[in-house]
Amino acid sequence: QKEVEQDPGPLSVPEGAIVSLNCTYSNSAFQYFMWYRQYSRKGPELLMYTYSSGNKEDGRFTAQVDKSSKYISLFIRDSQPSDSATYLCAIRSGDGGYNKLIFGAGTRLAVHP
Amino acid sequence: NAGVMQNPRHLVRRRGQEARLRCSPMKGHSHVYWYRQLPEEGLKFMVYLQKENIIDESGMPKERFSAEFPKEGPSILRIQQVVRGDSAAYFCASSPPKGIGNTIYFGEGSWLTVV
Repeated sequence: QKEVEQDPGPLSVPEGAIVSLNCTYSNSAFQYFMWYRQYSRKGPELLMYTYSSGNKEDGRFTAQVDKSSKYISLFIRDSQPSDSATYLCAIRSGDGGYNKLIFGAGTRLAVHP
Repeated sequence: NAGVMQNPRHLVRRRGQEARLRCSPMKGHSHVYWYRQLPEEGLKFMVYLQKENIIDESGMPKERFSAEFPKEGPSILRIQQVVRGDSAAYFCASSPPKGIGNTIYFGEGSWLTVV
């Protein structure tokens, strides 16, 4: 079993739709959860960062962590064509306090006008 | 503010040659990470360095790969005697010293093609 599982998609939605992206993870000790956006041939860009359980909102983006289910989600409201990218969930592993991240495989999202 | 700078952005090497990838962290960042992204796969941790120290190299292949972060100058990821399977995007990331923030910033990547 992979430590972080993410459906690779692709996911295709019309402009204005609400998008739900999800990951599951295996280790209940994980505490730090991140979502990155990656455009083609570019580096990952940090979108959201959450610690432990709960919700965090930033503009059109909401990150949700459910530690009891080991499930993390990213919601995008009023999706735009510029949101078309690959979305990577990442979890900080290890007890060294540094950013050794385990990434999901990424979900490719296409928002069409 | 300059972000994490990587060069070269694209590199083509023949099998058996050496590849050197360079990374300059963001200003004020003293921690550097290297990740590799194989085609159609997620990013995989390779190594974590601080100035003049390798802290965690658990993701580095045992042979042909090495990394350094000297006191002066950029971090270098070195791949000796490259093979086709080394073709990938190599991303460097940096973060502030521990305790200041947990945010990690990635560069634009170096795309290595082995022919």
